[in-house]
Parts: sequence; C-alpha cells; structure tokens
Amino acid sequence: DQQVKQNSPSLSVQEGRISILNCDYTNSMFDYFLWYKKYPAEGPTFLISISSIKDKNEDGRFTVFLNKSAKHLSLHIVPSQPGDSAVYFCAALTGANSKLTFGKGITLSVRP
Amino acid sequence: KAGVTQTPRYLIKTRGQQVTLSCSPISGHRSVSWYQQTPGQGLQFLFEYFSETQRNKGNFPGRFSGRQFSNSRSEMNVSTLELGDSALYLCASSLSAGEWETQYFGPGTRLLVL
Repeated sequence: DQQVKQNSPSLSVQEGRISILNCDYTNSMFDYFLWYKKYPAEGPTFLISISSIKDKNEDGRFTVFLNKSAKHLSLHIVPSQPGDSAVYFCAALTGANSKLTFGKGITLSVRP
Repeated sequence: KAGVTQTPRYLIKTRGQQVTLSCSPISGHRSVSWYQQTPGQGLQFLFEYFSETQRNKGNFPGRFSGRQFSNSRSEMNVSTLELGDSALYLCASSLSAGEWETQYFGPGTRLLVL
C-alpha cells in the first residue's frame, strides 16, 4: 500500500513559469515531510522540508505547502529554470526515529 | 573531502545468485542508509545503520540484509536474486542517525538480474 503518492509521473513547464509538484499521503501519523531532487546518474539531494506544525516553508525559489486536513503537500518552484529538470521525490516520517517513506517521484522538465 | 563511494557501480547477476554491495561513507559519518530505486516503485528505504546497529528496516523480505563495520563502512547482501531485484541501489551517509536532511547519497550500484 503506497502511503505517499505522487500521482502525476511527469510535469513539463516553460522556463520562468511556476512548477507545482503534488504529493498526497494516507498515514495521518506522518509529521515531517521532505522533498528530494535527483538528477540522472546521481544520488538524490535534499531540497526542502516541512513539519506538520507548519503549513508553509520557503527557501529561495522553493516553497512547500502542507494541507494536513487534505493530507496533501505541494512543492512550488518559482521561477522554474532548465536546471530544475530532475526527478522530485516526496518523503514522509512518523517521528525522528522512523524510516523514510517515499513517493514514486515526479519527472519535471523545464523547457527553455 | 571524498563523497560516498559505492562499489561496484554496475553488476549483472542471474536469478538465484547472491550479491554483496559495498558503501563507504564520508569520513566521520557514522550512519549509513540503503535505498532501492526502481521504475515501478520509485525510491524505497531498505535499512539504516548507526554504530554497527540496524536502527530501521524497510518492508523488504529477509533476502535483503546488511551490516555495518566498526569503520562505518556498510555492506548490503541480497540472496536468491529475483528478476524484480534489478534496480539502482543507493546508499547515503550522515554524521548521526536520522539526519535525513543532511544525508549525502552515493552514485548508486546498478544491479541487473537476468
């Protein structure tokens, strides 16, 4: 059973526009969420995170929104750049000592 | 300083064989985690080791096992390989356990099971 779902496998946006990557979860015990970015032939790198006590966290061009009632989070990238083209994984934790549960990833393509 | 090193980078095995993958963490890092990436399932957590002890384990069958040595290097073993074990196996290291935001990933070992 997929507890973290990234239902859209891919997204294509124009350079300079906003990219919105969605993630849904089913486990109400998740209390911390992370986004990782992965380029081909490289390992993932941490991008941004959010605790369940917040509804928004911002870091430069990246903002993550959390809607706990809907069990939904989204990553906004504004403005999108060609270098943002990568696979983005949403992940969740049920406390600091738990294991990471990932979604299947979304492939973002930013067109010049 | 040197990053996370994984060996071998590529591996071809046949069904029923076993395989051992190696991960050398960044110097000073004491925690190592392993992940499996496949097109169908995405990225899945396998296990986390800290100070030679397994702290967490993902939902994988007992054919998947691992260990960590006193120098923090880690190995992952898969016995009785199945076609579905074909995947990119990633390891990541961090200074301490549960540091999910500051873990550094290696380039991965790509395993093909025929």
